[in-house]
Amino acid sequence: DIQMTQSPSSLSASVGDRVTITCRASQDIRSYLAWFQQKPGKAPKSLIYATSSLHSGVPSKFSGSGYGTEFTLTISSLQPEDSATYYCQHYDAYPLTFGGGTKVEIK
Amino acid sequence: EVQLVESGGGLVQPGGSLRLSCAASGFTFSDHYMDWVRQAPGKGLEWVARIRDKTRRYTTEYAASVRGRFSISRDDSERSLFLQMNSLKPDDTAVYYCTTGLRGDETRGSDWGQGTLVTVSS
Repeated sequence: DIQMTQSPSSLSASVGDRVTITCRASQDIRSYLAWFQQKPGKAPKSLIYATSSLHSGVPSKFSGSGYGTEFTLTISSLQPEDSATYYCQHYDAYPLTFGGGTKVEIK
Repeated sequence: EVQLVESGGGLVQPGGSLRLSCAASGFTFSDHYMDWVRQAPGKGLEWVARIRDKTRRYTTEYAASVRGRFSISRDDSERSLFLQMNSLKPDDTAVYYCTTGLRGDETRGSDWGQGTLVTVSS
């Protein structure tokens, strides 16, 4: 199975900060990587698919990059509504697997 | 607007069975792979099962943790997805989400339902 490792597991940043979350795959997943945002008590929402394509309706402050085994999600200017847990997921092979999540808090 | 609405969750005893349903609207259901993803209380996300579309003969994939106990199916005429869960264990306790499946040629990210809670306990 492909292991997805996210770092950091949590972070605290100020409004307006640029925030970067890293996701590493245990083997090459090409560009088959998605990112999701989940707020407490709510279902996950899609942010990015195919490493860097923005899901419909997602603001452009979110961006993704990477290829192969190392990927990043960037929030260009953190806002209070971005407080959430973020997950990466690969879909290159079965089983599909998720990273352990990164909890983003506002200072 | 894409909508996925799960139902069928509840409390079940260990060893019991449950059938989850997901009603889809707002997109061409028959064209999409569909997944079930679950989340145990306070834990991360775990992919459970996938069913492909008609062109790929509705073939299925399962996580090792549920293979042989769970069965995913779909009814394209009813725009519905199902998960038959047998021989349930306490570790199967989770919120179960119905999602559109990413497969590499999509033009949008995956969409998710609101989830249905399954509790396996005596």
